[in-house]
Amino acid sequence: DADVTQTPRNRITKTGKRIMLECSQTKGHDRMYWYRQDPGLGLRLIYYSFDVKDINKGEISDGYSVSRQAQAKFSLSLESAIPNQTALYFCATGSTYNEQFFGPGTRLTVL
Amino acid sequence: KNEVEQSPQNLTAQEGEFITINCSYSVGISALHWLQQHPGGGIVSLFMLSSGKKKHGRLIATINIQEKHSSLHITASHPRDSAVYICAVISGGGADGLTFGKGTHLIIQP
Repeated sequence: DADVTQTPRNRITKTGKRIMLECSQTKGHDRMYWYRQDPGLGLRLIYYSFDVKDINKGEISDGYSVSRQAQAKFSLSLESAIPNQTALYFCATGSTYNEQFFGPGTRLTVL
Repeated sequence: KNEVEQSPQNLTAQEGEFITINCSYSVGISALHWLQQHPGGGIVSLFMLSSGKKKHGRLIATINIQEKHSSLHITASHPRDSAVYICAVISGGGADGLTFGKGTHLIIQP
C-alpha cells in the first residue's frame, strides 16, 4: 500500500462550490504539506503542519484552508472554488531528516 | 525567499547520451532534493543532498555549497528516463517545506 494517499485523484467542479481534498499517510511523520503545481510555475507551498495543533500558511494560502484531524490526516479545502484554482495538488510528508514523500496528486478542474 | 533556477528548461537527446541538468539557488540551504515526475504526474524523490556527491544506478547528483549549485547527471540515457526533473531546496530548519525550480523536461529518443 502507498505510504501517502490522496482522495479524490481527479475532480471536476463548478465555480463557487466547496471542495475538500484529503490526504492520509502511514509514514508516521509529524510534518505534512500541501503543494500546488501549475504549468510553467512549478510547485508552490499552500499550507504546512508540524503536528495536529500546528497550521502554517505557505506561499499561496489565499482561497484555501486546511485541517489536521490527526497525525495521519491533513485535508485541504477550497471554500468557494474559482477557475484559477485549477491545478494539480500534491500532499507530502516530511521526516525530521528533511526527506519528503509525495502523494500521487489530485487533478482539480474548476469550470 | 530562496530563488531556484534550473537549466535547461527542455532537453531532447538520443538514447545513450550523457545528460546534465543544472540547478542554482540564491540563499544558503539545509539540503537539496532532486525529484522525478513522470507523465502520469507522480513525484518521486531521487536524491537528497547536503554536500558532495551521491550515485544511484545511472544517476549521479553533485552539490557545491559554496557556489550554490547542484547538477544531476544521467549516464547511458534511456527512453524510460524521459520525465520532468525538479530541483528543490530546503532552507533554514527545514520544517517549512520545499522551494522548487520549475523543472527540466527531458525526452530521450530511441
